[in-house]
Amino acid sequence: QKEVEQNSGPLSVPEGAIASLNCTYSDRGSQSFFWYRQYSGKSPELIMSIYSNGDKEDGRFTAQLNKASQYVSLLIRDSQPSDSATYLCAVNRRTGRRALTFGSGTRLQVQP
Amino acid sequence: DTAVSQTPKYLVTQMGNDKSIKCEQNLGHDTMYWYKQDSKKFLKIMFSYNNKELIINETVPNRFSPKSPDKAHLNLHINSLELGDSAVYFCASSPTMNLDEKLFFGSGTQLSVL
Repeated sequence: QKEVEQNSGPLSVPEGAIASLNCTYSDRGSQSFFWYRQYSGKSPELIMSIYSNGDKEDGRFTAQLNKASQYVSLLIRDSQPSDSATYLCAVNRRTGRRALTFGSGTRLQVQP
Repeated sequence: DTAVSQTPKYLVTQMGNDKSIKCEQNLGHDTMYWYKQDSKKFLKIMFSYNNKELIINETVPNRFSPKSPDKAHLNLHINSLELGDSAVYFCASSPTMNLDEKLFFGSGTQLSVL
């Protein structure tokens, strides 16, 4: 089992819809979780972080964390073509490596 | 002003050559990283340094040698390049070793080994 798993996509949604991106992780002791957005040919940039169970909202973005299910998701409301990118889930494992563990990302395509 | 800058942006070279990638950050951060991103977008940690001290050295072939002359610079030298080294290499920095802090990435170096 990969440490951080994401569906590679592409996930295609129409403009204005809600995009739902999912991530599961294997280390039950993981303590903090991040979503990075990466446009094609560009570097990753942090868009959301979440540390406790429940929802965290920031503008059109909502991160959801369920530690019991080892699941973290990112919802993008009112999706725009400019949201088309790869979304990387990253996990801070409490034990083991002293760096974030990244998933391989989900490619999102928002159709105008 | 670019926060984390790495050069070159593109590097095309033959198998067996030796090449270097340079990285500099002007954010005053203590911690710097090298990540490798393969063709499937998987971003994997290679090395990290904190105040010039090596912290992480993942299972990377010893053909890869990082060097940090000061805390603002972290360079990556690769000897005897192989086809499998082709990837995008990202330098990143963070204020401290606290993994809850935001990572600031450089623009990446696309390495193609022919």
